[in-house]
This record gives sequence, structure tokens and C-alpha cells, in this order.
Amino acid sequence: DIQMTQSPSSLSASVGDRVTITCRASQGISNYLAWYQQKPGKVPKLLIYAASTLQSGVPSRFSGSGSGTDFTLTISSLQPEDVATYYCQKYNSAPFTFGPGTKVDIK
Amino acid sequence: EVQLVESGGGLVKPGGSLRLSCAASGFTFNTYSMNWVRQAPGKGLEWVSSISSSSGYIYYADSVKGRFTISRDNAKNSLYLQMNSLRAEDTAVYYCARGPGVTTYWFDPWGQGTLVTVSS
Repeated sequence: DIQMTQSPSSLSASVGDRVTITCRASQGISNYLAWYQQKPGKVPKLLIYAASTLQSGVPSRFSGSGSGTDFTLTISSLQPEDVATYYCQKYNSAPFTFGPGTKVDIK
Repeated sequence: EVQLVESGGGLVKPGGSLRLSCAASGFTFNTYSMNWVRQAPGKGLEWVSSISSSSGYIYYADSVKGRFTISRDNAKNSLYLQMNSLRAEDTAVYYCARGPGVTTYWFDPWGQGTLVTVSS
């Protein structure tokens, strides 16, 4: 099975900073990658699918890129409401594995 | 408005069984794949099982294969997860989530979740 890894596992940044999270697949998955945001105590929310397509209603400061095995989620200007854990997920074929998550907080 | 409401969670002894339900509303249920995702306390998200719109394709995580059964009743707009031979490591919040189409498996939206606790 394809394994998903994320780096870093956690980060602390200042409001307004550009934040980049990396997700790596152990084998190529084309662009079959989604990103989710889970705020503390809340239900996960889809941010991006097809590696770079922003879900409706998601702020434009979020963006995704990548294809094959290496993907990134970027927050162009970190806001206090972006404190959350971010997960990537592959969906090219089962199992539809999630990455281990990246916890983002404010410095 | 799309709504997914899970039910059926609770406390069960190791080796026991439980059946989760997810009631869907606000969309044409029989045209979307459906999924179960779980989250153990303080841990990350774990995909559990998926079913295509007409039940023609069904998938399970290795961790639950042979013990869990996903099903759906399109006439009742409902998704189910029959969980047998439960183990302590199955303790988690179980989320029901919709896929974007017939046989595509990213997840949006998600229900509020139902807690399953496996303990003696």
C-alpha cells in the first residue's frame, strides 16, 4: 500500500507569515490528493481536492500544488483562525489513506 | 443544506458488536459515494470504509477487513457500518462523510461523529 507522510509534524508561525506543509506519497498518485483542516474540537473540513482545486468557500490564502509524489499546502498569510491540524489524503485507489497530520499554531 | 447525522455509538465490550447509522438529507443520496472515517482520542484521521453510490464498489481498511461491513439503503437515505469482533483499538469517533460523486473518494461534508468506546 502507498504510505503518506507529512512534514513538519507541527509548526508555530506568526500572524501574516507564509506557511508551507509538505505531503509525500511513497508512490505516484498523479493529482489524486485532498487536504483537510481540523480545528480543535471540530469536524474535519475539506480545503483542496485534485491537489490544487480550492473547495468552494475556502479562503484564497490557501493553495495547493504538486503531482506524483510530492505535494504542498500553502497558507499565504497565516491568520489566527487557521490554528488547526492539516491532513492530506490520497484517493487514487483504496486504501484512501490520510497523512499523519501537521499541527499549526500561532507563535 | 446537506446534513449527515450519525448514531449508534456507545460503550461495548471487547468482542462485541455495534451498528452505526448515518442519516443523510439535503442531497440526492443515491448519486454519491459514502464513507466512514474514524479518529481515536488524540490521534489522527483513519479511513475505515467506502461504498459507491449503487453499492457496486466497497472498500475496507486492512485494520477492519473481515470484521466491519459497510452498507447503504438508498431508499432510506442511510449509510451503515456493522462492526463485529470489536477491539480496544477500535475506540474512536466515527464520522460519516460524503464523496463528491459516484465513485470518487475525497470527503465532504462530514457528520458530527459518533463515539464508539470498546472497553470491559
